[in-house]
Amino acid sequence: GENVEQHPSTLSVQEGDSAVIKCTYSDSASNYFPWYKQELGKRPQLIIDIRSNVGEKKDQRIAVTLNKTAKHFSLHITETQPEDSAVYFCAAPQGGSNYKLTFGKGTLLTVNP
Amino acid sequence: GAGVSQSPSNKVTEKGKDVELRCDPISGHTALYWYRQSLGQGLEFLIYFQGNSAPDKSGLPSDRFSAERTGGSVSTLTIQRTQQEDSAVYLCASSVRDPNTGELFFGEGSRLTVL
Repeated sequence: GENVEQHPSTLSVQEGDSAVIKCTYSDSASNYFPWYKQELGKRPQLIIDIRSNVGEKKDQRIAVTLNKTAKHFSLHITETQPEDSAVYFCAAPQGGSNYKLTFGKGTLLTVNP
Repeated sequence: GAGVSQSPSNKVTEKGKDVELRCDPISGHTALYWYRQSLGQGLEFLIYFQGNSAPDKSGLPSDRFSAERTGGSVSTLTIQRTQQEDSAVYLCASSVRDPNTGELFFGEGSRLTVL
């Protein structure tokens, strides 16, 4: 089955700096890679996703890059703000499934004002 | 309602008791999922429903866990003879049955504590 590794487990940055979180996956059939943000005590929410037919996708201050050859994808947050502080989870579908996501263990991002 | 609703939000129970957790998905979403989130861990897949049927129960940890969905809407996750290792946040999510969409809409979870 799919194995998703996420690094780092914790990340602390100063407000205004950039943050990068990286995930690797094992199933070469995976073709959809979402990122979820979970604020403390809140529900996970999708913030950005990328499909395997593109290498990069941007949405304002966040971007995701995908390297299918190396089987890794990364979340980039620029000009970080305190409200970016949360746990971020990457995910990949298992066995090419369009429903069964395997999640990474999460990255706790702290943005210090 | 506008989002996925789960109840109870918190449940404290004694070891050996049974618990039921409820999920009310977004209206019109045919796909429903249960995930478990333990401290410091990611989201662990438990079960997937498409309509009222569960084509994938592979994530249920043991036969003490069961789930059903009725009317293509509300789902109940039942844990029998609870154990301390069952303590976790149980998250429900729903999605439109569209393989090109993929987005999961999560509820706020039911935090289960087994004493």
